[in-house]
Amino acid sequence: DVKVTQSSRYLVKRTGEKVFLECVQDMDHENMFWYRQDPGLGLRLIYFSYDVKMKEKGDIPEGYSVSREKKERFSLILESASTNQTSMYLCASSTPAAVSYNEQFFGPGTRLTVL
Amino acid sequence: KNEVEQSPQNLTAQEGEFITINCSYSVGISALHWLQQHPGGGIVSLFMLSSGKKKHGRLIATINIQEKHSSLHITASHPRDSAVYICAARGSNYKLTFGKGTLLTVNP
Repeated sequence: DVKVTQSSRYLVKRTGEKVFLECVQDMDHENMFWYRQDPGLGLRLIYFSYDVKMKEKGDIPEGYSVSREKKERFSLILESASTNQTSMYLCASSTPAAVSYNEQFFGPGTRLTVL
Repeated sequence: KNEVEQSPQNLTAQEGEFITINCSYSVGISALHWLQQHPGGGIVSLFMLSSGKKKHGRLIATINIQEKHSSLHITASHPRDSAVYICAARGSNYKLTFGKGTLLTVNP
């Protein structure tokens, strides 16, 4: 079974702190994603990576950066956390789009609260 | 940009009822995903389909490409089916556009 793990289930940080959210997948997937999920807005893509050291902005990249130094690990960084970044953060991984069954596998999520 | 609309937003059913959740999208897609999210939990992929119909246990997903519409059906619903169901449309690349989800509550 594909496993996508995230470093924390719950996290509480203070405004202005630098926050690291880690995601690891064990299926040698090329693609990895970071989403945030908010009530009434659904899931929105923050950043995407299709290979090591490669990244692309999603729909809402402002206030975030990412790092992918190894294929299995994709980190989301909040450079200076703000209260409007309080949310559920979900990581996902998948095979390349060219592969017919391009299913995305999701991690359990990290609920981040910024005070 | 693809717009994905789900209906209903909230659905309450009695155990045993047949349930339908609908999903419409605005532009052509390469595949449509149905996902399930339990309270406080991660997201599990139920189906990915690009045409016709798929069945897994009591769950059935259908898609009509011409009408840009998909449905998720649950037969003989059970309280453990209570969850948020999300449809997501995939275009020609890797990106998914998500609906806002349908909160299903099945009462015993």
